[in-house]
Amino acid sequence: GAVVSQHPSWVICKSGTSVKIECRSLDFQATTMFWYRQFPKQSLMLMATSNEGSKATYEQGVEKDKFLINHASLTLSTLTVTSAHPEDSSFYICSAWGTGQRIILNSPLHFGNGTRLTVT
Amino acid sequence: SQKIEQNSEALNIQEGKTATLTCNYTNYSPAYLQWYRQDPGRGPVFLLLIRENEKEKRKERLKVTFDTTLKQSLFHITASQPADSATYLCALLINDYKLSFGAGTTVTVRA
Repeated sequence: GAVVSQHPSWVICKSGTSVKIECRSLDFQATTMFWYRQFPKQSLMLMATSNEGSKATYEQGVEKDKFLINHASLTLSTLTVTSAHPEDSSFYICSAWGTGQRIILNSPLHFGNGTRLTVT
Repeated sequence: SQKIEQNSEALNIQEGKTATLTCNYTNYSPAYLQWYRQDPGRGPVFLLLIRENEKEKRKERLKVTFDTTLKQSLFHITASQPADSATYLCALLINDYKLSFGAGTTVTVRA
């Protein structure tokens, strides 16, 4: 149980275009999902918390107008990288607490398999 | 500021030996600590959780210790196998249900 699916697994786009990444909870409902970014040999850095039916909460230094997050249903959150530039090239990973709407703080976080974004 | 540090970026060991990884943290008072495994190009996978009142936790060939006085957790892989080769991440819960991760230690087990 508690499977998180992320799509696409990789994408190459031209500078200035926008890219949408989908994150789905397959067998549970998630009111809250998290988006992380990971550069090579670095830690996962939390970008934002996606809340179903309300605005996302962004971490300090993350541009909300550049990284648009939509969490329109209990099983789907999307991250859109707008006007992408080469420095946005990274590994983007979504996650959710597998306990669904009721977050149990000592439960594990379930991750998607990530999306490798390359901006040329 | 809050920091999570994993002692080394890479660890190479011989098959059958025990790998020991360190996670140190500052300016946190976590109720628990988690360890994840990440394979190249994949998302992290949960391995173990240890609570602040637990000294040690085991799962198969994995063992985790947690010393809240030293602000340190040790992660051991005993009888290591080439299939254990991966990056191992420690993580702490910070406010608002968010997990903060260390940079990870990449373990390579030689046959």
